[in-house]
Amino acid sequence: SYVLTQPPSVSVAPGQTATITCGGNNIGRESVHWYQQKPGQAPVLVVYDDSARPSGIPERLSGSNSEHTATLTITRVEAGDEADYYCQVWDSISWVFGGGTKLTVL
Amino acid sequence: QITLKESGPTLVKPTQTLTLTCTFSGFSLNTDTVGVGWIRQPPGKALEWLALVYWDDDKRYSPSLKSRLTITKDTSKDQVVLTMTTMDPVDTATYFCAHITSGELAFDYWGQGTLVTVSS
Repeated sequence: SYVLTQPPSVSVAPGQTATITCGGNNIGRESVHWYQQKPGQAPVLVVYDDSARPSGIPERLSGSNSEHTATLTITRVEAGDEADYYCQVWDSISWVFGGGTKLTVL
Repeated sequence: QITLKESGPTLVKPTQTLTLTCTFSGFSLNTDTVGVGWIRQPPGKALEWLALVYWDDDKRYSPSLKSRLTITKDTSKDQVVLTMTTMDPVDTATYFCAHITSGELAFDYWGQGTLVTVSS
């Protein structure tokens, strides 16, 4: 089955830019979706189809995807961005999630 | 406004069958492209997709859990039910249901989740 690989953790200072990667074989050919999950809460879709944002998601969050790595970028990081982030694809059989990345705002 | 809510037992014993219900509002499972899926998350671990049913009763299951899962929909009650047989302590997790459309294949609305503990 398809495997998505994320770094376990990323740390960034407030106001800086956070980059969270999601690796997969030829992931550039897939549509990648990103979720934000804060402690004790359900995941929230923040980016879909590689780079589209649902209504209400700030422009500071953006996505890109090419070849073997998809990326979620958060600019001007705020304390409220501290959360776990998961990438996800549909691999024609299953909905596959990455292992998650904990974003810490220093 | 789309909402989903999971319900079911909070504690089950090993070998028992778990039955969870997702009650939703704000959309209909009779509508083209709409689906409802189940995703679980063991404490401190990652999300894992389990099963999904589409408006046309097309059903999909995680290959690793397929033999233990059954998903059904009741459009008259706006509910989706998931059963999982032969529960084990490793199945202890928060179980979420979520809305999806076959166009984006992303889960755009989620329930709050329900924690199920498997223990004797």
